[in-house]
Parts: sequence; C-alpha cells; structure tokens
Amino acid sequence: DAGVIQSPRHEVTEMGQEVTLRCKPISGHNSLFWYRQTMMRGLELLIYFNNNVPIDDSGMPEDRFSAKMPNASFSTLKIQPSEPRDSAVYFCASIKGFRSSGANVLTFGAGSRLTVL
Amino acid sequence: AQKITQTQPGMFVQEKEAVTLDCTYDTSDPSYGLFWYKQPSSGEMIFLIYQGSYDQQNATEGRYSLNFQKARKSANLVISASQLGDSAMYFCAMREGKDAGGTSYGKLTFGQGTILTVHP
Repeated sequence: DAGVIQSPRHEVTEMGQEVTLRCKPISGHNSLFWYRQTMMRGLELLIYFNNNVPIDDSGMPEDRFSAKMPNASFSTLKIQPSEPRDSAVYFCASIKGFRSSGANVLTFGAGSRLTVL
Repeated sequence: AQKITQTQPGMFVQEKEAVTLDCTYDTSDPSYGLFWYKQPSSGEMIFLIYQGSYDQQNATEGRYSLNFQKARKSANLVISASQLGDSAMYFCAMREGKDAGGTSYGKLTFGQGTILTVHP
C-alpha cells in the first residue's frame, strides 16, 4: 500500500491567494483527519470525516478554511484567502473502522508544508 | 485544561543509554488509548507504540516500552539503548473512547512534544 498521499509537499504562495491541499487516504480507511502543525500551537485537529461525511469541524480556525471529501479516496483542504499566519505543515491522516479501538493506528501522510508570504 | 502534557521540551541522552520521555494525560473516559509517535527532522509521523487503558501489562515494541501508571495518569515512553537515529521529536497522544458525538472515530489529541537529542 502506498500509504496516505498528500500533495503538494511544499507550497509557497502570496497572501490573499487560494491554496488547495490534497489527500488520498489508504484504501479501505473510512475516517480521514486533517491536522495542522505549528511551533506555537503544536498539532491541532482541524476537521475529520467518517465515510466521507464531516463529523467535527470545530478545529477549523475560521471561515477562510474549508474541507471536502467528495469520495472515499480524496479530500481537499482549501484556504481562501491565505494569510501569513496560515503558514504551517498540514497533515492528513486516515484510519480504518467506524469505532476505532485497540491498536488501530492513525496513519499520517508526509505533510504539506505551506508558506504564505 | 490540557488533555496531554509533555513537560520536557528537550531531552539529551548518551548513545547506548536509556531515556524516559514523560507524558501525563487527563480524561474521565474509562476507555482510552495512548500512543507515541516519532517525528524525525524529515517531518513524517511514525507510530511507535500503543497502550490501551484496560491493558494489564505495559506495552513493548523492540527498544520501546511504555511505563503505564494508570492511577497517576502517566504513560512514559522508555527508549533503551539509544541510537543516533533516535534523535527526533516525540509526541504522546490519546484517543478517548467517546467524543462529544458519542463515538470515537480514532481522532487523537497530541501533546506538545519532546525533542530528543542522542549524543555519540
């Protein structure tokens, strides 16, 4: 299995531009999570989906952020318009199972490093 | 209140020695899981070890072991025989049995992390 695939790995953009980050979860995994990592705030959960349905988006910082999961193999996180404070590493992660228990491990992608100038 | 607390921003250890990274947690859910992840300088998140709240024995995975003290709500990671390649950021994380929606979907809450440096 190729693991969780994220693109782009690096993105540099200017303030005000739209940014779209993409994620392909592991085949068969039905829960998908978007995390953001910064030095100041550590790893924060932004939003997560189960069976393509958003379950909790309370971690999304503001209306400039949106996420979709149109099918089981693809999700996007969009920032419009982007601001310098959005600079961070954005991780996508996936897991199998409706009710996760035991040593069912959340598998992370390699991350997308976003720099907003 | 912080659900996961890692009080050591940085730790240093000599190669081949053992090191303990601290983690305390806070939950009222009787069913939970504790995880440790390693993040090397390349940035990926690597799963190391898992401990369930009902597990009677401490988890072990090769050179990694988890010192689980339920009454103290601590889940410290012990790395034996440290290697230079162990230098990385280490995160403790918790999965609770249920969240506000009543069902856990596997989401993890992370601590702030500990940077481990292994000296030759």
